[in-house]
Amino acid sequence: GENVEQHPSTLSVQEGDSAVIKCTYSDSASNYFPWYKQELGKRPQLIIDIRSNVGEKKDQRIAVTLNKTAKHFSLHITETQPEDSAVYFCAAHAGGTSYGKLTFGQGTILTVHP
Amino acid sequence: KAGVTQTPRYLIKTRGQQVTLSCSPISGHRSVSWYQQTPGQGLQFLFEYFSETQRNKGNFPGRFSGRQFSNSRSEMNVSTLELGDSALYLCASSLNRGQVIHEQFFGPGTRLTVL
Repeated sequence: GENVEQHPSTLSVQEGDSAVIKCTYSDSASNYFPWYKQELGKRPQLIIDIRSNVGEKKDQRIAVTLNKTAKHFSLHITETQPEDSAVYFCAAHAGGTSYGKLTFGQGTILTVHP
Repeated sequence: KAGVTQTPRYLIKTRGQQVTLSCSPISGHRSVSWYQQTPGQGLQFLFEYFSETQRNKGNFPGRFSGRQFSNSRSEMNVSTLELGDSALYLCASSLNRGQVIHEQFFGPGTRLTVL
């Protein structure tokens, strides 16, 4: 089955710096890659997603890139702010009969210091 | 639109008991997926229901089961609870139709503690 590896497990940056989180996936049939942000005690919330027919997607300070050949995708956050501090999860959907199954990475704890 | 809701929010049980958790999806969403979240294993897929049918199942023992009703509300049941079942159980609803996946919206979760 699909396996998703996420790095780093923790990331500490200064306010205004950029943050990059990387994920690799194992199933070449995967075609949908969402990123979720989970604040302490809150539910995961989708911040950006990308499908396999696109190489890059941006939404204000957040961008995601996808390299299908290498089977990896990355989250880029620019001009980080303290409110960006949270746990970030990448996920992959293997298409076909995976239906509602997302396979998640282990998460990255991002801390933005003022 | 109201978001995904889950009840109860917190639950304390003892080993050997069983528990039922409930999830009400966003209106119009017929797909409900369940996940177990633990510090050590992260978010792991349990199963997904669409129009009262289980379409996919993760690698969990048969003690974990679920169902979906005609109004798309879903329940999951865990029988013969073990200490390792302590976790945050999250459900997510989606418009998923056929094999095209849409955004999954998560509920607040049910925090289950097994003593």
